[in-house]
Amino acid sequence: QKEVEQNSGPLSVPEGAIASLNCTYSDRGSQSFFWYRQYSGKSPELIMSIYSNGDKEDGRFTAQLNKASQYVSLLIRDSQPSDSATYLCAVKPPGNTGKLIFGQGTTLQVKP
Amino acid sequence: SAVISQKPSRDICQRGTSLTIQCQVDSQVTMMFWYRQQPGQSLTLIATANQGSEATYESGFVIDKFPISRPNLTFSTLTVSNMSPEDSSIYLCSVVHGYEQYFGPGTRLTVT
Repeated sequence: QKEVEQNSGPLSVPEGAIASLNCTYSDRGSQSFFWYRQYSGKSPELIMSIYSNGDKEDGRFTAQLNKASQYVSLLIRDSQPSDSATYLCAVKPPGNTGKLIFGQGTTLQVKP
Repeated sequence: SAVISQKPSRDICQRGTSLTIQCQVDSQVTMMFWYRQQPGQSLTLIATANQGSEATYESGFVIDKFPISRPNLTFSTLTVSNMSPEDSSIYLCSVVHGYEQYFGPGTRLTVT
């Protein structure tokens, strides 16, 4: 079992729709969770972090965390073609090393 | 967030040679990491660059192949030694600022 799992996609949604990206992780002791967006040929850009169970909203983005189910999700409302990118879920395992474990990423395509 | 720069941004190198990648941060940071992203893949942590001491390498990565220096809290280098085509990847440095991790622009390496 991979430590952080994502559906590689592509996930295709029409412009204006809600895109839902999902991630599961294996280490129950993990406490910090991050979503990065990576455009083709660019480096990952942090878009959301979440540390407690529940929802965290930032503009059109909502991160959801359920530690009991070991599940993190990212919702993108009113999806735009500019949201087309690969979304990487990253989990910080227990301990003070600071390192992150990344999922394989989900490619999102928003069609005009 | 921290501003991170990397040099070179890209390079094409011959098999058997070595390349040193530089990472500069605009503020002092405690934690600095080097990642590799192979074509079409997610990010894999190579090592944690420790200031004033030897880097901490992840499983599958060794100092002889990827020597790392971290002379101070704003700068680090990663050398890819005795390169083979399998080393063709994007190499990214990242830093922890606050509770979050940010990435440099990356170095795209092609080995022929």
